[in-house]
Amino acid sequence: SQTIHQWPATLVQPVGSPLSLECTVEGTSNPNLYWYRQAAGRGLQLLFYSVGIGQISSEVPQNLSASRPQDRQFILSSKKLLLSDSGFYLCAWRRTGDNEQFFGPGTRLTVL
Amino acid sequence: SQKIEQNSEALNIQEGKTATLTCNYTNYSPAYLQWYRQDPGRGPVFLLLIRENEKEKRKERLKVTFDTTLKQSLFHITASQPADSATYLCALDMDSSASKIIFGSGTRLSIRP
Repeated sequence: SQTIHQWPATLVQPVGSPLSLECTVEGTSNPNLYWYRQAAGRGLQLLFYSVGIGQISSEVPQNLSASRPQDRQFILSSKKLLLSDSGFYLCAWRRTGDNEQFFGPGTRLTVL
Repeated sequence: SQKIEQNSEALNIQEGKTATLTCNYTNYSPAYLQWYRQDPGRGPVFLLLIRENEKEKRKERLKVTFDTTLKQSLFHITASQPADSATYLCALDMDSSASKIIFGSGTRLSIRP
């Protein structure tokens, strides 16, 4: 069976500090991978998606970046965090050609 | 650009009644539309998918309709229970390759005993 992991579960960072959130998927190959952000009480905002290693599509211009160094690894980064980067970050995967998305447990990021 | 609107931010209904949630979209019609459930502090969980050539889809107490003329999907929970309380999100594909999926802002459903 497939599983998706995200870490850390919670993170408190000062403004201006760097960020690295990691997501890994097990039990499948060549998945489509996604990063979403959810502000408190709001919907999901698509940040990045990837259909293969090294292929990243950015949806929202901002100080975040994403990388996919391995088939089942997706990393969200920032060089300098802003207060507005606070939120619930969700990683998701989907089989190529399939419809349903599977979400990870999320990372709660608070920028102070 | 494609937009999704879930008209009600919150919905409160009595246990046993049918809950009806609405999802509207603009511009082109998606090949399919999905509904997810999200509990507080958790990631969304897939519930149902309906394709553009389907009018209705059912799963246990859940029913989804898809009206491509109105550009609207309705999500129904019959015989609602307090355990159905959660936020419900609709989602649709943004392009023909279906690599990119966008979500509505969600409707927070509360079922009171």
